[in-house]
Amino acid sequence: AQKVTQAQTEISVVEKEDVTLDCVYETRDTTYYLFWYKQPPSGELVFLIRRNSFDEQNEISGRYSWNFQKSTSSFNFTITASQVVDSAVYFCALCMDSSYKLIFGSGTRLLVRP
Amino acid sequence: EAGVTQFPSHSVIEKGQTVTLRCDPISGHDNLYWYRRVMGKEIKFLLHFVKESKQDESGMPNNRFLAERTGGTYSTLKVQPAELEDSGVYFCASSPGLGRTQYFGPGTRLLVL
Repeated sequence: AQKVTQAQTEISVVEKEDVTLDCVYETRDTTYYLFWYKQPPSGELVFLIRRNSFDEQNEISGRYSWNFQKSTSSFNFTITASQVVDSAVYFCALCMDSSYKLIFGSGTRLLVRP
Repeated sequence: EAGVTQFPSHSVIEKGQTVTLRCDPISGHDNLYWYRRVMGKEIKFLLHFVKESKQDESGMPNNRFLAERTGGTYSTLKVQPAELEDSGVYFCASSPGLGRTQYFGPGTRLLVL
């Protein structure tokens, strides 16, 4: 069975703190893709990053970084020096080569307080 | 380049009525997907078009839902008759190829009273 678990329902931090959002996935497919999407208060889903199962290289984009570890089936997302504008719901998602639909986690609501 | 657009942004209807949601994908994207998030639940896949053909409709909840993509461009999702449990946010996404990144529209918020 394919599944994505985001155990953190809600996280609250003070501005400038670092915060890590956890994502654990399950799949038997050998080829798959992992995604993070951001849903700001306005409601749209904004694509942040896509990783392939055969590429475990971690990635950094400005204040955002992602840690992909196949050994623990995790794809965690870290925001460094958080800002109020980072407040949103963040979704982790899985897509297999055998079926191209996205399987979403339940989302983590991040609140960054000034 | 214009992103995925959806219409209407909000819809409030009474139980038993019909509602049609529209999605215009990014130009050139052959793959179009519908998802929905009902209150308190996860975002769930409904179906996937490749051009005008339904590639996967395993997520469609029942035969009250009908999706079309005539001509392989925009898509419509009709709910007839609507039930209370159909309330939620309906998202459309498109991608240029299989396994490629799916880009989402702003969603349609449907409320069935």
